[in-house]
Amino acid sequence: EIVLTQSPTTMAASPGEKVTLTCLASSSVNYMYWYQQKSSASPKLLIYYTSSLASGVPDRFSGSGSGTSYSLTISSMEAEDAAIYYCLQLTSTPPTFGAGTKLELK
Amino acid sequence: QVTLKESGPGILQPSHTLSLTCSFSGFSLSTYGMGVSWIRQPSGKGLEWLASIWWNGNTYNNPSLKSRLTVSKDTSNNQAFLKVTSVDTADTATYYCAHTRYNSGYGYYFDYWGQGVMVTVSS
Repeated sequence: EIVLTQSPTTMAASPGEKVTLTCLASSSVNYMYWYQQKSSASPKLLIYYTSSLASGVPDRFSGSGSGTSYSLTISSMEAEDAAIYYCLQLTSTPPTFGAGTKLELK
Repeated sequence: QVTLKESGPGILQPSHTLSLTCSFSGFSLSTYGMGVSWIRQPSGKGLEWLASIWWNGNTYNNPSLKSRLTVSKDTSNNQAFLKVTSVDTADTATYYCAHTRYNSGYGYYFDYWGQGVMVTVSS
């Protein structure tokens, strides 16, 4: 199965700061998907097909990448963005998630 | 508007069979491209895909759970089901069902998730 490695594991950002989260795949994938999970809530889809913004997601979020290297960028950190972010690959069965990046507000 | 809600026993004993129900609205599991997937998350840990069922009846299970998983659907009542046999403490987790969308040429993804149901395996 494809292993997704997310970095950093944990980070803190100040309001207004640009944030970039990385997801590396053990084999090439066609697309990457990104989810946000707050506290005990269910994961929320942010980005699909690597760079498409899900409905209702603020445009400060963006995704990019190809092959084995993908990233999620928040152009300007806001307090409500503090959460755990997971990447997901669906190219190969079974689908696999990264271990997550915990983003905190500084 | 797509909504999903999971229901289950809450607590069950080791070696027993876990039965979960996903009740949904806003889509039909008989419509081309629609599916329901099950994903679980142990407390404080990451996400693990378990299984998916599609509009055409095709099902896919995570090989890591071998033959312990059975996924099914009741299209008329807008429900999907997951059974996990021979549970042990490692199956303690929050179980989510998620609306799964397939687009020809692009593949599929999980867009809407239920609130999750916590399941504890304990004697």
